[in-house]
Amino acid sequence: EDKVVQSPLSLVVHEGDTVTLNCSYEVTNFRSLLWYKQEKKAPTFLFMLTSSGIEKKSGRLSSILDKKELFSILNITATQTGDSAVYLCAVANAGGTSYGKLTFGQGTILTVHP
Amino acid sequence: NAGVTQTPKFQVLKTGQSMTLQCAQDMNHEYMSWYRQDPGMGLRLIHYSVGAGITDQGEVPNGYNVSRSTTEDFPLRLLSAAPSQTSVYFCASTPRQGTDTQYFGPGTRLTVL
Repeated sequence: EDKVVQSPLSLVVHEGDTVTLNCSYEVTNFRSLLWYKQEKKAPTFLFMLTSSGIEKKSGRLSSILDKKELFSILNITATQTGDSAVYLCAVANAGGTSYGKLTFGQGTILTVHP
Repeated sequence: NAGVTQTPKFQVLKTGQSMTLQCAQDMNHEYMSWYRQDPGMGLRLIHYSVGAGITDQGEVPNGYNVSRSTTEDFPLRLLSAAPSQTSVYFCASTPRQGTDTQYFGPGTRLTVL
């Protein structure tokens, strides 16, 4: 059974701080790892990672994947109150009848105080 | 494009009642799926469909039925609602199986008393 574990489960920081969110996974046939941001409604897509060691960046957010150690991190620098959200990590399976199915982690609740 | 739409936004049911959560997408996506989200548990896959006429079970299928008669629509049926089905339900679609970026609908918050 595929498994995704995120840590920490919740995090409280002040504006300007840098945060690192962790995602470790076990999947029978890895295809990709995705990060989503969820602000009280539907998750919105942030990044998709398929190759080890290649950093994806979007503004103050960046993410990297380590396929050998089976984890990914999401970094947010110079946090703002608008970054407050639940951050979800998911892995996509490439094998057989599981092809394309996403398994999600529990999410990390990030709260950024002014 | 409206994207992925879901109705209703909120629903309260009594134990034993049945109902259908509607999901539609206008992007001609082949792959559609239903998730439920409970506190501290992320999103869990209920059922998915790789195209019209084809459906399969996900991680937590018990108590739910789906059908996919058209590419656009993917309704989720609760056969006999139970309090354990109180949750937020999200429908998602992706252009084809294997395109991993999923587009989510706004969700339906369901309470079963």
